Amino acid sequence: GQSLEQPSEVTAVEGAIVQINCTYQTSGFYGLSWYQQHDGGAPTFLSYNALDGLEETGRFSSFLSRSDSYGYLLLQELQMKDSASYFCAVRVAKNAGNMLTFGGGTRLMVKP
Amino acid sequence: DAGITQSPRHKVTETGTPVTLRCHQTENHRYMYWYRQDPGHGLRLIHYSYGVKDTDKGEVSDGYSVSRSKTEDFLLTLESATSSQTSVYFCAIGSSSYNEQFFGPGTRLTVL
Repeated sequence: GQSLEQPSEVTAVEGAIVQINCTYQTSGFYGLSWYQQHDGGAPTFLSYNALDGLEETGRFSSFLSRSDSYGYLLLQELQMKDSASYFCAVRVAKNAGNMLTFGGGTRLMVKP
Repeated sequence: DAGITQSPRHKVTETGTPVTLRCHQTENHRYMYWYRQDPGHGLRLIHYSYGVKDTDKGEVSDGYSVSRSKTEDFLLTLESATSSQTSVYFCAIGSSSYNEQFFGPGTRLTVL
């Protein structure tokens, strides 16, 4: 089976940098994804890492270390609109399709 | 935004009644997924489909069935709803060409 661990809550101030960690145990690992979900909304895709290293997309970066079964999402220049839940998800391919197993989510609160 | 809709958006039903949720896509994606989301559990996969009439179970499939008779529609059925199935249900679509899944707006189901 698969299991993912991430902190349940993180608080930071506007303009700061925050890192959300994710550790995973899985069989058949293909990559690590991050999704953002605002209250009452649907999850939306942020990033995907298949190889070790850092991927940067604007203010957001995502890192993966396959040997450590670890990744993180880095959010820079925090804005109030970044207050949301963030989910890491491992991609596993089972029979057919790109299956995702999600972590429990990290609720980020950005304060003025 | 990916063309994916869910119906109904909200439903209240009683224990023991059958319920069917519909997911409709206009993107012609091969893969479709049903998740449930409960506080503290992130998103958990119920069933998924990798083509018309091709479906498979996810991690929390007990009490649920699915059908896919057309590429664009994926139905989730609760044969006899129970209070433990009170949840928010999300449909998602994906393709082998992309690393991301696109989520529908969700259906909030309450079983009394």
